[in-house]
Amino acid sequence: DAGVIQSPRHEVTEMGQEVTLRCKPISGHNSLFWYRQTMMRGLELLIYFNNNVPIDDSGMPEDRFSAKMPNASFSTLKIQPSEPRDSAVYFCASRGGLAGSYNEQFFGPGTRLTVL
Amino acid sequence: AQSVSQHNHHVILSEAASLELGCNYSYGGTVNLFWYVQYPGQHLQLLLKYFSGDPLVKGIKGFEAEFIKSKFSFNLRKPSVQWSDTAEYFCAVQGNNRLAFGKGNQVVVIP
Repeated sequence: DAGVIQSPRHEVTEMGQEVTLRCKPISGHNSLFWYRQTMMRGLELLIYFNNNVPIDDSGMPEDRFSAKMPNASFSTLKIQPSEPRDSAVYFCASRGGLAGSYNEQFFGPGTRLTVL
Repeated sequence: AQSVSQHNHHVILSEAASLELGCNYSYGGTVNLFWYVQYPGQHLQLLLKYFSGDPLVKGIKGFEAEFIKSKFSFNLRKPSVQWSDTAEYFCAVQGNNRLAFGKGNQVVVIP
């Protein structure tokens, strides 16, 4: 298995531009999570999906952030418009089993976003 | 919501020294506990996990952790570290289907 796949690995953009981050979970996993990692705040859960349905988006910072999961093998996190404070590493993770499963989450390699 | 505290954010030690990283959490319900490791430039990988049973859990690469329910703690230990253990270590607590991470411990092992 290739594991969780994220693209792009690095993204540099200018303030005000739209940014789209992509994630392909491990095949067969039915939960998908988006995290943001910064020096100041550590790892924060932004949103998670179960069976393609958003379950908890309370971590999404503001309306500029949106996430979709159109099918079981693909999810996007979009920032529009982007701001310098959005610069961070964004991780996607997936997990198999039922909601509330005891299984661990498997993380992708992350996307390092820099907003100038 | 649960919260996780990790102290001593930066740890520097020599090879063969023993390592112990503290993790305390707050959550009123049943929790599942994890330690993840992030090697430089890489993604998070699971070191070990605790769900139930023996509170002393053994993970990969010689790491172990002990769940002490009365202290709300899940400390990570390794008796003798190697240079390759240089990484950032994250404690995570899953409760109510949410996984909360601590701020991490940056561990540097000097050869």
